[in-house]
Order: sequence, then structure tokens, then C-alpha cells
Amino acid sequence: DAGVTQSPTHLIKTRGQQVTLRCSPKSGHDTVSWYQQALGQGPQFIFQYYEEEERQRGNFPDRFSGHQFPNYSSELNVNALLLGDSALYLCASSFDYSGNTIYFGEGSWLTVV
Amino acid sequence: KQEVTQIPAALSVPEGENLVLNCSFTDSAIYNLQWFRQDPGKGLTSLLLIQSSQREQTSGRLNASLDKSSGRSTLYIAASQPGDSATYLCAVERDNYGQNFVFGPGTRLSVLP
Repeated sequence: DAGVTQSPTHLIKTRGQQVTLRCSPKSGHDTVSWYQQALGQGPQFIFQYYEEEERQRGNFPDRFSGHQFPNYSSELNVNALLLGDSALYLCASSFDYSGNTIYFGEGSWLTVV
Repeated sequence: KQEVTQIPAALSVPEGENLVLNCSFTDSAIYNLQWFRQDPGKGLTSLLLIQSSQREQTSGRLNASLDKSSGRSTLYIAASQPGDSATYLCAVERDNYGQNFVFGPGTRLSVLP
């Protein structure tokens, strides 16, 4: 059983461009969250998707948007990229509700130049 | 606003030592607390989950405690091994939807052979 898979693993973008990151949750998991982890810091919660709806959102601007598909996979879109968006973007999945084991993917490294 | 801090930021110990990692959070109204491990450039692996009504959890050589009233948690690692070298992150869950974590910055542990 594959765990959480993310693509691409690494990418380089120019300021002002747009990027789409993809996540396939662990089999059967219906809840997907995205985190941004800057170098040397802990991950920061971006948003969470459940039943194809954004259920919760962290303190991130509207440039960050997402989508969840009927098969529970998810995309993170970032528009008008800034240098400060350079980070590791992590996807996490679990069955709904707290207390269930959460699984993280290995992340997508985004560098904005 | 919930804030999570971890002490020390980095720790280097010889193999076989017992060690304690510390985590503090500012708002005691949490649902759960989890400890994660992150290897360099990789995703996170959940180590221990402590429900808000519990005081400790154990898994193998790991023991985590939680004192909600004082806003503290500790992760105790017994008989450390070089394979334990990683960054250890503490995270508190803000609600019962799951996955909505506030992370600390982590403690970078090196266990020397």
C-alpha cells in the first residue's frame, strides 16, 4: 500500500509565476491537509480538505488555493509567487477526525528565483 | 494565538544516553499533542499521540508526557542509537477535525556512535 505521494519532488519557478503541487493520499484516507515548511522551521498549516471542500484554513493569503477531487487526491495552487514562498510543501492525509494516525508525504521542494 | 516552542534547538549525545526533549505551548485548550520525527529533506513520521485526557504514552524506547495545565510535554528517549538522529517536532491539535496542527520549530538530535 503506497503512502502519501506528492509530485513534483523539486521545482524551480520565477517570481510572479504560478505553481501547482499534487498529492495522492494514503489509500482510503478522506482528509488531506497542506503545510508549508521553511528551512529550519516547523511546518505551518495552510488548509484542509474534506469531501472536496476547504474545511479549515490557516493564516495564508488568497494566493494559496486548493482543490480536492472525488478520489480524495488534492492540488495546491500558488499564484503570483514570491521569493518567500520558497519552502518544502507537505501533504498529509488521514481518516477524518482527530486521533487517527496521520501520514505525511515526502514533500515538494519549491524554489522561487 | 497558540505558540509552540521546543528546547533545546539542537542536541548532540553519545550513543546509549537517555535524553529528554521539551515542548511548551501557550494555550492549554488543545485536543491532542503529537510528537513527530523528520529525517533531513523528508516528510514527517508520527511517533506518539497523547490525547488531551491522557498524561503519557509509550512506544518502545520512547515515552511522551503531557501536562496541559502547565502547557508542557516531554519526549523521553531511552538508550539512544545513531538511527535516532533526526529532527523531533512537537505539534498540538487545535480542534477535533484532525490534521490542524501548530508545530514547534523542532529539536535537531545527533546521536554519535
